[in-house]
Amino acid sequence: GDSVIQMQGQVTLSENDFLFINCTYSTTGYPTLFWYVQYSGEGPQLLLQVTTANNKGSSRGFEATYDKGTTSFHLQKTSVQEIDSAVYYCAMRDGGNYQLIWGSGTKLIIKP
Amino acid sequence: EAAVTQSPRSKVAVTGGKVTLSCHQTNNHDYMYWYRQDTGHGLRLIHYSYVADSTEKGDIPDGYKASRPSQENFSLILELASLSQTAVYFCASSAGALQDTQYFGPGTRLLVL
Repeated sequence: GDSVIQMQGQVTLSENDFLFINCTYSTTGYPTLFWYVQYSGEGPQLLLQVTTANNKGSSRGFEATYDKGTTSFHLQKTSVQEIDSAVYYCAMRDGGNYQLIWGSGTKLIIKP
Repeated sequence: EAAVTQSPRSKVAVTGGKVTLSCHQTNNHDYMYWYRQDTGHGLRLIHYSYVADSTEKGDIPDGYKASRPSQENFSLILELASLSQTAVYFCASSAGALQDTQYFGPGTRLLVL
């Protein structure tokens, strides 16, 4: 069945470091891929979505792309700040399915 | 102004007791969802609904019931709460099912003792 694997459970960086979080997916369909961010005490909120392979999505300084050849998609930011501390979830929706399939989340800790 | 609200925000329940979690949305969305969040598991879909008076099972519906009495309100019911149902529960809404963004409430932290 469809699945999303998010291997990095926690990432610790310093301010102005480069962020890269990767997910891999498995589906037989044509997926739309999402990044959600969850700040402490809040529900997840959409950060980015990418509907076409090799296209980029961008928002709030974050960029996301996905590679159909390696069935991977990643989130990156050139220079993280303390306010970026949060849990980042990748998620996938197959074109013919109502459901979001979620990764297990990556907790980003930014050292001041 | 928050468009998806949940109540209560936290609750302590006893094993075997009945728990009702409530969700209200002002987005005028047709779809509503209940998820549970456990450390290391991300979010898992329990029940969802696309129209009032109708609910559908998600991936992990066992031990949970849902009720959608109106477009705005969606409840999750644990008839006999168990220790394994300790988790954070999120409600979400979306305009449609496929490409639409889901908007989440702030969550309810449930502790079953």
